[in-house]
Amino acid sequence: DSGVTQTPKHLITATGQRVTLRCSPRSGDLSVYWYQQSLDQGLQFLIQYYNGEERAKGNILERFSAQQFPDLHSELNLSSLELGDSALYFCASSPRTLVGTNTEAFFGQGTRLTVV
Amino acid sequence: GQQVMQIPQYQHVQEGEDFTTYCNSSTTLSNIQWYKQRPGGHPVFLIQLVKSGEVKKQKRLTFQFGEAKKNSSLHITATQTTDVGTYFCAGMRNSGGSNYKLTFGKGTLLTVNP
Repeated sequence: DSGVTQTPKHLITATGQRVTLRCSPRSGDLSVYWYQQSLDQGLQFLIQYYNGEERAKGNILERFSAQQFPDLHSELNLSSLELGDSALYFCASSPRTLVGTNTEAFFGQGTRLTVV
Repeated sequence: GQQVMQIPQYQHVQEGEDFTTYCNSSTTLSNIQWYKQRPGGHPVFLIQLVKSGEVKKQKRLTFQFGEAKKNSSLHITATQTTDVGTYFCAGMRNSGGSNYKLTFGKGTLLTVNP
């Protein structure tokens, strides 16, 4: 158990709908990352938050958004869903990142999203 | 933007053979990390390399970080069926202040024939 909790584990929804994925990071971790994993694209970095602030953006679509709340949990919102959005969405958290400290990411179990 | 390339994409070996996966970054890295993802599972952290030219060993696994801190390799000696999975490298780069960005390679899927 990595200490990172993601809910729900599975989600099936129709095209055009909107869903929210939730992530609770490890206790004390300030950094949260969201990744999308599909068979052909590997682990695609979507977005990073650090202590409530957006810090880095990757290949995140405009239809997707995220936020990190004061209690450090994070949500990823996916709207106007398309069939191609079907994938495994991982959240990861890491300790406060300072030079010289460990910065490894701890992954949750993921949310498998199926758009039909 | 930063790219992390990993080869090969797939590797099938007979049990007992060695295996190596290589990782190259387009930019200098603060550190490089390696993860393993078993089929149906989530990525699990294996190791982090920080220093130029660093070599670390974990039993049958040997990890190297290049002198220029832009490339890395993972070598498994005498593979076992329990080594099956996808091995990802992930480059950590300082993108300003205390912000670090972790970029994953596409991974190498290792299958082992018993």
